Amino acid sequence: AQSVTQLGSHVSVSEGALVLLRCNYSSSVPPYLFWYVQYPNQGLQLLLKYTTGATLVKGINGFEAEFKKSETSFHLTKPSAHMSDAAEYFCAVRNPGAGSYQLTFGKGTKLSVIP
Amino acid sequence: KAGVTQTPRYLIKTRGQQVTLSCSPISGHRSVSWYQQTPGQGLQFLFEYFSETQRNKGNFPGRFSGRQFSNSRSEMNVSTLELGDSALYLCASSPGTSGINTGELFFGEGSRLTVL
Repeated sequence: AQSVTQLGSHVSVSEGALVLLRCNYSSSVPPYLFWYVQYPNQGLQLLLKYTTGATLVKGINGFEAEFKKSETSFHLTKPSAHMSDAAEYFCAVRNPGAGSYQLTFGKGTKLSVIP
Repeated sequence: KAGVTQTPRYLIKTRGQQVTLSCSPISGHRSVSWYQQTPGQGLQFLFEYFSETQRNKGNFPGRFSGRQFSNSRSEMNVSTLELGDSALYLCASSPGTSGINTGELFFGEGSRLTVL
């Protein structure tokens, strides 16, 4: 079974400060990893994904994440927060060989940006 | 290219009633998945369909069912509604083509169900 743990259900940062959202996963096989963002009353939008290859992946809106196998982590970062980044962020994992596209999600981290 | 479309966006039902939610995937996508989102449980997988066949199912009671049509559109049904079924129901589609496919999911905006 797979699982995802997101540390911190709520994170607050000042505008212009570094954003760091933590994600740790548990998987018996090398997983595919995803970060999604959800704005109020909307669905989920893919920020970035790791499948194979380069462990540092860049996504939309200036976000990036690094896959660290030894730490089973996939933390999301952005050098400088904008007010528009305020949203809820979800880390998700999938077993590539499962024959299904089912994602297992973390509980989410709500990001607040203070002007 | 149009995104994933879910209807209705909002609905209110009473306990014991049933509800049907509809999802139109992105054109050309063959896989459709459904998730339930609640503040307490987060995002939970309901089921996944691929080419009209259910190929995966989450841990939900039999009151939750779904189907997929030949044009890849999907519906989910919840019978004998309970208060705890109040949630945002999200549909997601994926190309589902052969070859290298990360199975990236494209989500709709959801159907928000309130059960009174």
